[in-house]
Amino acid sequence: DAKTTQPPSMDCAEGRAANLPCNHSTISGNEYVYWYRQIHSQGPQYIIHGLKNNETNEMASLIITEDRKSSTLILPHATLRDTAVYYCIVSSTSGTYKYIFGTGTRLKVLA
Amino acid sequence: GAVVSQHPSWVICKSGTSVKIECRSLDFQATTMFWYRQFPKQSLMLMATSNEGSKATYEQGVEKDKFLINHASLTLSTLTVTSAHPEDSSFYICSARDGQGRNEQYFGPGTRLTVT
Repeated sequence: DAKTTQPPSMDCAEGRAANLPCNHSTISGNEYVYWYRQIHSQGPQYIIHGLKNNETNEMASLIITEDRKSSTLILPHATLRDTAVYYCIVSSTSGTYKYIFGTGTRLKVLA
Repeated sequence: GAVVSQHPSWVICKSGTSVKIECRSLDFQATTMFWYRQFPKQSLMLMATSNEGSKATYEQGVEKDKFLINHASLTLSTLTVTSAHPEDSSFYICSARDGQGRNEQYFGPGTRLTVT
């Protein structure tokens, strides 16, 4: 079973920030939080990952709570091309490295 | 960087035949590759983990004799669907993990298999 829960869908106005939450209350100390997105009929695209500190790259920011039980992916200025299913995954950096996908959040960016 | 390719992108085959899907890491060496399948409007389901030079590890419920996985080199893994049936029709996606310090997985574009 997936170790994360996400809202099934969200809408966001174009140009506004999209904030996608993820709960991972059973995360272990050596597990990272990874975010991917999947546009229809394509393979998932890596966005960002983090352990406990907030992270930012050219695509997004990742905010992880101090207790690491939840996180938020922020797309600062959403565009229509950001419409996709977003997956939050927790995975260890040792052992099997497996990803178990949950149901994700279907983000729709509205013009 | 971190590009993963799959071939073919789509394939149609007749029931009872076998189909091979290739997954290649183009600009890094992948010590571990993963195979997923995805049915319409569903999430990705992990089928197996493939380590270079060793046997694949299959997830519970995945038939290893039906889905043959070979990871012959650090840049190539193949999935062969043997004796395909219409219920094997799905979107098959591979991913590769760069063992050189980057633990995130990079995904291929997927292969659409239709069995008639």
